[in-house]
Amino acid sequence: EPEVTQTPSHQVTQMGQEVILRCVPISNHLYFYWYRQILGQKVEFLVSFYNNEISEKSEIFDDQFSVERPDGSNFTLKIRSTKLEDSAMYFCASSERGGIAYEQYFGPGTRLTVT
Amino acid sequence: AQSVAQPEDQVNVAEGNPLTVKCTYSVSGNPYLFWYVQYPNRGLQFLLKYITGDNLVKGSYGFEAEFNKSQTSFHLKKPSALVSDSALYFCAVRDMDPRAAGNKLTFGGGTRVLVKP
Repeated sequence: EPEVTQTPSHQVTQMGQEVILRCVPISNHLYFYWYRQILGQKVEFLVSFYNNEISEKSEIFDDQFSVERPDGSNFTLKIRSTKLEDSAMYFCASSERGGIAYEQYFGPGTRLTVT
Repeated sequence: AQSVAQPEDQVNVAEGNPLTVKCTYSVSGNPYLFWYVQYPNRGLQFLLKYITGDNLVKGSYGFEAEFNKSQTSFHLKKPSALVSDSALYFCAVRDMDPRAAGNKLTFGGGTRVLVKP
């Protein structure tokens, strides 16, 4: 069964550094998403992406964040200057289409630790 | 704005007994509801969804959920729990605001299920 994959599984970085989290969505999917979960808190929506542009973003997704689909397979989340409060599990997801009949498939997550 | 509540942080059940994981929601329009499960070191796996139609929805691994509009609930159930059902369960609602093109999911806080042999 096709899966969403994410790399790395764990990333440790120092405050102020840039990080890029990578995701490979399911190959025939057209919609891509990033969510995050701070330890002990809810899974929160960050951004959705379709047709090479952001469809929607949350208040969390400020100018420090950006997303890109650099080629036909990868979908990346970049944090330009990490802060301690960016420490969280980051989940990538994809769906075949955007309608309500199409569920989102999630990757295993990247745990980001900012020191 | 939509929201989801999972009132129980953890549910303990003996293997073979019925399992219920509670979820209540708040939306302005029609609710589109989902259950996901997370096993250790794995991503969120889709279990089932309610879009419209029958209030009892059947999903993967023998799970089902009952949509109750009057109580704004969407409780997850399994008639006979297995030890392998031990995991973290998330209820979610889809944002159907016509102004929102992004199809984002709003999640509850999660309920840890522990099934004991």
